[in-house]
Amino acid sequence: DIQMTQSPSSLSASVGDRVTIICRASQTISSYLNWYQQKPGKAPKLLIYDTSTLERGVPSRFSGSGSGTDFTLTINSLQPADFATYYCQQTYSSPWTFGQGTKVEIK
Amino acid sequence: QVTLRESGPALVKPTQTLTLTCAFSGFSPSSSGIYVSWIRQPPGKALEWLARLDWDDDKYYDTSLRTRLTISRDTSKNQVVLSMTNMDPVDTATYYCARGRRKLDVWGKGTTVTVSS
Repeated sequence: DIQMTQSPSSLSASVGDRVTIICRASQTISSYLNWYQQKPGKAPKLLIYDTSTLERGVPSRFSGSGSGTDFTLTINSLQPADFATYYCQQTYSSPWTFGQGTKVEIK
Repeated sequence: QVTLRESGPALVKPTQTLTLTCAFSGFSPSSSGIYVSWIRQPPGKALEWLARLDWDDDKYYDTSLRTRLTISRDTSKNQVVLSMTNMDPVDTATYYCARGRRKLDVWGKGTTVTVSS
């Protein structure tokens, strides 16, 4: 199975900051990497798929990059609505797997 | 509008079998490339992908849970059913179903299952 490792596990940031979250796969996953945002008590929401394609309706301050085994989610100018937990997921091969999550908290 | 809705028992006893239903609407499962997955999330923990059903009837399971899981479909009711045998307190979680082939773009709200005697 492909293991997904996110870093950091949590971070504190201020409104307006630029935030970067890293996701590393245990083997190459081409570009089959998705990012989700989850707020407490809610279902996850798809933000980015295929490494860098923004899901419809997602603000352009979110962006994704990477390939192979190393991927990044960047949030430019962090907004109050962005404080949440973020998960990466590989859909390159079954079983699909998620990272352990990165919690973005208010500094 | 595409929607998915999970349903099932809120409480099960250890060793029992859990059966969850995902009812969906707003899309045709017969369309090519439509997959429905089940994902769970124990309290305070990360998401865990469990299983996926392709409408061609291909099925995929989490490696560590595959002996306990069965995913199936009811085409007449637009439903996908997940069964998990031999439930244990560690299986206490919110269980979600979601649609998608390479991305999970629509999720249900989830159903919380507690395993306790």
